[in-house]
Amino acid sequence: GAVVSQHPSRVICKSGTSVKIECRSLDFQATTMFWYRQFPKQSLMLMATSNEGSKATYEQGVEKDKFLINHASLTLSTLTVTSAHPEDSSFYICSARETGGAKNIQYFGAGTRLSVL
Amino acid sequence: GQNIDQPTEMTATEGAIVQINCTYQTSGFNGLFWYQQHAGEAPTFLSYNVLDGLEEKGRFSSFLSRSKGYSYLLLKELQMKDSASYLCAARFFGGGGGNKLTFGTGTQLKVEL
Repeated sequence: GAVVSQHPSRVICKSGTSVKIECRSLDFQATTMFWYRQFPKQSLMLMATSNEGSKATYEQGVEKDKFLINHASLTLSTLTVTSAHPEDSSFYICSARETGGAKNIQYFGAGTRLSVL
Repeated sequence: GQNIDQPTEMTATEGAIVQINCTYQTSGFNGLFWYQQHAGEAPTFLSYNVLDGLEEKGRFSSFLSRSKGYSYLLLKELQMKDSASYLCAARFFGGGGGNKLTFGTGTQLKVEL
């Protein structure tokens, strides 16, 4: 299957700092990428849909000024958690959908575990 | 709403067969996905169904009934490494981002000796 690279895999930061997470589609182009958040033993909750060359679409209840998304190319989307606080600690997973793929399968990155002290 | 319902957990024996069911609301439905997720890792794609019927891929098979809003994932010849969470996800037309996936809470499968 297609490969999605997500970096970093783990980050520990102090409260008030900003953290950037990168998501890259390695062997395909992705017009659309998705950012999810997952709490322990819960399913994935969609935070926002990232569209190349345009503004991201945020799900209800997700602060767009807190979670900045940039999708500058067909292979890269970034999520920046601004002024992180302990309640932002979670597992963040990105997903990319292959442009023009017949099944529109979403492939996932390995996830980023964020711990805010 | 687009509720996706699946059992929270299941237990099965190594070498056996297990079926994980999933139901969803049919309005706007546009495809059903199954993913496997090991603890602390990202989901990996298992199968995709959009038409009625059974899709077989090695030890894993997935079935869909569009009229009933029902799917199942069938795992044969269970191995210990199959212990994981299995996520059912349905895609629906429309929405701000277009054709988004909605995930169930996942079924935690435990394979025992």
